[in-house]
Amino acid sequence: EVQLLDSGGGVVQPGGSLRLSCAASGFTFSSYAMSWVRQAPGKGLEWVSILNGNDGKTYYADSVRGRFTISRDNSKNTLFLQMTSLRPEDTAIYYCAKNRGSNWSPLDYWGQGILVTVSS
Amino acid sequence: DIQMTQTPSSLSASLGDRVTITCRASQSIKKYLNWYLQKPGKAPELLIYGASILQDGVPSRFSGSSSATDFTLTISSLQSADFGTYYCQQTSNAPLTFGGGTRVEMK
Repeated sequence: EVQLLDSGGGVVQPGGSLRLSCAASGFTFSSYAMSWVRQAPGKGLEWVSILNGNDGKTYYADSVRGRFTISRDNSKNTLFLQMTSLRPEDTAIYYCAKNRGSNWSPLDYWGQGILVTVSS
Repeated sequence: DIQMTQTPSSLSASLGDRVTITCRASQSIKKYLNWYLQKPGKAPELLIYGASILQDGVPSRFSGSSSATDFTLTISSLQSADFGTYYCQQTSNAPLTFGGGTRVEMK
């Protein structure tokens, strides 16, 4: 059974940093692309980033490029999102998700989501 | 960036109704279009990918179709488990954008 467990959220001041983690199990982690998607309170889904499983390439939404870094540790089956220079508009539930393939592809499994609040 | 425009933004329907939701891409995405359902307080779940392919375990009352840059999700007979917010997403080009969502409520 595929499981994704998000962790690392919390309250951080504007300009601060936070690292989210996503522990994966139930599939060959290194073979698949992995993504982060966020949802601001009461708003729709916003795609944040993807890390390909086949070539290791990364892609980001314009709103986070240069501030967020996606990475993975295949030996620990864990996906990360390092967030720096955080802004109030980054406040959201962050979901990690497994892509169906090794690169751009549908998101077939999702974590439970973790809340990040950027506030002074 | 590719913009995904979903219509309507909300709708009210009764059990057994046929429901149609549309998503329009700002440029060609071939058939790289996915549909998700998010229930309140839960993570989204994948319903359809490749514009018309049902994800494993998704009931056959759900179907997807496409015509050029227009994509349609149809629920043939609305059930209680189908209420929530539906999102389309394109996976043709990064950023892999979502539509704004369609909230389906009980009439």
